[in-house]
Amino acid sequence: AQTVTQSQPEMSVQEAETVTLSCTYDTSESNYYLFWYKQPPSRQMILVIRQEAYKQQNATENRFSVNFQKAAKSFSLKISDSQLGDTAMYFCAFMKPPWSDKLIFGTGTRLQVFP
Amino acid sequence: NAGVTQTPKFRILKIGQSMTLQCTQDMNHNYMYWYRQDPGMGLKLIYYSVGAGITDKGEVPNGYNVSRSTTEDFPLRLELAAPSQTSVYFCASSYGQEGEQFFGPGTRLTVL
Repeated sequence: AQTVTQSQPEMSVQEAETVTLSCTYDTSESNYYLFWYKQPPSRQMILVIRQEAYKQQNATENRFSVNFQKAAKSFSLKISDSQLGDTAMYFCAFMKPPWSDKLIFGTGTRLQVFP
Repeated sequence: NAGVTQTPKFRILKIGQSMTLQCTQDMNHNYMYWYRQDPGMGLKLIYYSVGAGITDKGEVPNGYNVSRSTTEDFPLRLELAAPSQTSVYFCASSYGQEGEQFFGPGTRLTVL
């Protein structure tokens, strides 16, 4: 069975600094997707970034980038120039074929950005 | 577009009561999903649908039922509510099975 592990229940960072959130996963599949979702206090789940396993290049979205290490089954999220609005729960998630199956979520990391 | 909308936002049920959580999307997505999020946990899939008239079980389907009579709507029915069903429920939709899932704002349900 696939599992997603986020070993950091809570993280904090000062505004404008950089923070990295960790995620590891376990799968025997070679083709899959990995995601980072943000859940602010409003509870809305927002997709931050998505990585396709067959792509070696790490995905980036503005201040958000990932370090995808396929062999190590590691998928960390780096947030640069942290902003107060980045304060939220961050969930790592995994999806495999046949795709219509579930997103498998980690337990989340609570990130607090301080002024 | 309103995206994915859910009603109600909050609800308190007594043990044994029933209710339906409503979910509607206006993006013409064929795939729709119901998740639950327990405190301190990630989301777990309850049911999903790949199109009108087609539904299938997810990871935690017991105690729930769904139907999908239209592309837009995907209601989740709770029969005989139990305290273990206290959770936040999220509906999501996607275009295609590899498409990005768009989430609704969630329904916080408490069963006492």
